[in-house]
Amino acid sequence: DAGVIQSPRHEVTEMGQEVTLRCKPISGHDYLFWYRQTMMRGLELLIYFNNNVPIDDSGMPEDRFSAKMPNASFSTLKIQPSEPRDSAVYFCASRPGTDMNTEAFFGQGTRLTVV
Amino acid sequence: DQQVKQNSPSLSVQEGRISILNCDYTNSMFDYFLWYKKYPAEGPTFLISISSIKDKNEDGRFTVFLNKSAKHLSLHIVPSQPGDSAVYFCAALYTGNQFYFGTGTSLTVIP
Repeated sequence: DAGVIQSPRHEVTEMGQEVTLRCKPISGHDYLFWYRQTMMRGLELLIYFNNNVPIDDSGMPEDRFSAKMPNASFSTLKIQPSEPRDSAVYFCASRPGTDMNTEAFFGQGTRLTVV
Repeated sequence: DQQVKQNSPSLSVQEGRISILNCDYTNSMFDYFLWYKKYPAEGPTFLISISSIKDKNEDGRFTVFLNKSAKHLSLHIVPSQPGDSAVYFCAALYTGNQFYFGTGTSLTVIP
């Protein structure tokens, strides 16, 4: 397996534009997580899914952020409209559901810059 | 509210010496703890973990210690190598729930 795949690796957009980040989890993994890395808060959980169902989205900063998981192999994180303070590295991670205590596997991240 | 805290943003250690990275948590429900290592422009990668039923887990040069009464865990790297220079995140979860991460400690191993 190629691991968790995120695209794009880098995204530069203008304030007010819509941004969509994409993630392909590891095949067979039941859990998918979206994190944002900031200096102040480290790896901040935005939302996570179990079997394609959103379980906890309390970390989504505001209504401008939305996430979907239409099937087991694909998830998107959308920001509309984007703002400069959204600039960060966004990570997607997945883990199996068979063992409740196991590590999550991370993608390489998407570095978002909103100008 | 940060449930997992890494109070040292950075640490510098001479090559060959011991590196000790610390992590504190507030939620007594946490039952599984992990350390991740992150290089620039890469995603975090799993390093080592420990269950709450243990107080020590060792894997080669890496050892994690858990003190449940103090709600504290630490990662020891012996001997430290320049390739260990990275950001280290500790994480915690309970009953297979979401992972809670600390803010990270940037380790620099000086040759």
